[in-house]
Amino acid sequence: VTQNPRYLITVTGKKLTVTCSQNMNHEYMSWYRQDPGMGLKLIYYSVGAGITDKGEVPNGYNVSRSTTEDFPLRLELAAPSQTSVYFCASIDFGPEAFFGQGTGLTVV
Amino acid sequence: DQQVKQNSPSLSVQEGRISILNCDYTNSMFDYFLWYKKYPAEGPTFLISISSIKDKNEDGRFTVFLNKSAKHLSLHIVPSQPGDSAVYFCAARLNTGNQFYFGTGTSLTVIP
Repeated sequence: VTQNPRYLITVTGKKLTVTCSQNMNHEYMSWYRQDPGMGLKLIYYSVGAGITDKGEVPNGYNVSRSTTEDFPLRLELAAPSQTSVYFCASIDFGPEAFFGQGTGLTVV
Repeated sequence: DQQVKQNSPSLSVQEGRISILNCDYTNSMFDYFLWYKKYPAEGPTFLISISSIKDKNEDGRFTVFLNKSAKHLSLHIVPSQPGDSAVYFCAARLNTGNQFYFGTGTSLTVIP
């Protein structure tokens, strides 16, 4: 699972995209955020191309799944509260998920 | 509403001794429980899992125990090695699909 960029600093109100791709032909992909001292919180997930659904903390984010391989995460209006580390994950038949290396986002 | 809880933020153990990491959950709809290991600046990596219909699963030095009546699981690492030093996350999967809920993590330090 490959995420880009690894680190990103942006300003409030900017639009940005974090990309995620996998070459394992997994149907299920998901995005998590991890705040300091906290566990991973599910933002959005997808069970296949063209299908997405909200997780625990979807507000302020958007996703799309046009292909099995790619699952980008979009922030339409970046806010300081979205400063976090973001992880993309994909799952085959499960139950274990394969995670990307993470994207550290700072919104100033 | 934290459905998966790890109440110990950190744990220090001597090399060669047993490490026991604990996790509690509240939702009876979880069908799988997993442990992930995370090093700094890396994504979590899968360590071991257990189905809700079992009470024990073992893989080398790692054993996970599940007590459904207490809604509690634990990860035992024997013997502990310095390379085991990392943050360990407990996770649970909802039986409705591949949605995972994670605990807040326990930072394990194995002292040589």
